[in-house]
Amino acid sequence: DADVTQTPRNRITKTGKRIMLECSQTKGHDRMYWYRQDPGLGLRLIYYSFDVKDINKGEISDGYSVSRQAQAKFSLSLESAIPNQTALYFCATSARGERRETQYFGPGTRLLVL
Amino acid sequence: DQQVKQNSPSLSVQEGRISILNCDYTNSMFDYFLWYKKYPAEGPTFLISISSIKDKNEDGRFTVFLNKSAKHLSLHIVPSQPGDSAVYFCAATSYSNYQLIWGAGTKLIIKP
Repeated sequence: DADVTQTPRNRITKTGKRIMLECSQTKGHDRMYWYRQDPGLGLRLIYYSFDVKDINKGEISDGYSVSRQAQAKFSLSLESAIPNQTALYFCATSARGERRETQYFGPGTRLLVL
Repeated sequence: DQQVKQNSPSLSVQEGRISILNCDYTNSMFDYFLWYKKYPAEGPTFLISISSIKDKNEDGRFTVFLNKSAKHLSLHIVPSQPGDSAVYFCAATSYSNYQLIWGAGTKLIIKP
């Protein structure tokens, strides 16, 4: 079984709809991240969380919110989706004590906003 | 402006030959650099890294070289194998910043 799972894997939604992307991990890591990837661009950090009570904005947090329900779960919400949020979304984890940059990624969620 | 640039969107190399992937950065505060590899329908996986106090790091067939004066790093894969066909991302960070800054990726195709 995969250590970092994301649901759904693919989603099509309409402008203005609320959507939640979920991430779960069995690695026991305390740190979790949400990224988006757009064609021709690298991954960009949306939010990150170093533990359940510590949530931080990344480079492009506008239009997104997150919830860290437990150490193993980190959800990303689009309160009112817009077409330029069409992208590939990745969740990642890392362990305190290891080099923070060694991150373990889920398989991604492909989101299309019409 | 992109702080980490991978100027070659794709690269095609014959099996058994050397693959060289390049990455340039602009932020002199970056002190740690990484390469990740990504297969289709999967997330990126960590491949190799290098600290700014070194100019070379080797792990099996993979070697990363860092030229700080030129703000340039490269990943060498020798010999290239079909399973190396993937997208390779370069990323950089600084000690004071927990964020990774990523390049756009280079798609490597290994021809049999």
